Amino acid sequence: GENVEQHPSTLSVQEGDSAVIKCTYSDSASNYFPWYKQELGKGPQLIIDIRSNVGEKKDQRIAVTLNKTAKHFSLHITETQPEDSAVYFCAATPTSGTYKYIFGTGTRLKVLA
Amino acid sequence: DAMVIQNPRYQVTQFGKPVTLSCSQTLNHNVMYWYQQKSSQAPKLLFHYYDKDFNNEADTPDNFQSRRPNTSFCFLDIRSPGLGDAAMYLCATSRERWDNEQFFGPGTRLTVL
Repeated sequence: GENVEQHPSTLSVQEGDSAVIKCTYSDSASNYFPWYKQELGKGPQLIIDIRSNVGEKKDQRIAVTLNKTAKHFSLHITETQPEDSAVYFCAATPTSGTYKYIFGTGTRLKVLA
Repeated sequence: DAMVIQNPRYQVTQFGKPVTLSCSQTLNHNVMYWYQQKSSQAPKLLFHYYDKDFNNEADTPDNFQSRRPNTSFCFLDIRSPGLGDAAMYLCATSRERWDNEQFFGPGTRLTVL
């Protein structure tokens, strides 16, 4: 079945620097890749997603890139701010039209002021 | 604002005492999901409803059951909570089964004494 690996597990950056989180998936049929941000004591919030027919998507300071050949996708946060501190989860949905997310193990991002 | 609402936000129960968690949504989505999330782990899907069609994950213990009396509400029943069931329980919705984007509620943190 599908497996999603996420790295690093923790990441500390200085305010204003960039942060990059990487995920690798195993099922080449996966076609949807969301990224969720989860603050302490709250539910995950979708921050950006990408579909398999697109290589890159950007929304202000956040971007996601997808390399289908290598089966990996990455979250890029530029000009980080303290409020970006949270746990970030990537996910993949194996095969078209399925409901099920396969989550990565999460990355705890700390932005140091 | 359309949203996913979970009540209560914090629930304390005793070992073996049945407990019910509730989720409601104003998004009018057809699919509702229940996830269990333990500390520092990714959410784990327990089951989902596609309209009134109940779908259990293969590894969801029999101790967990769910009800969906109408489109807006979904309940998670834990028949005999054990210490290992202490976790955050997340409800999520999606418009359709093939519509990948899932919207999460804030979660209910369950403590078992």
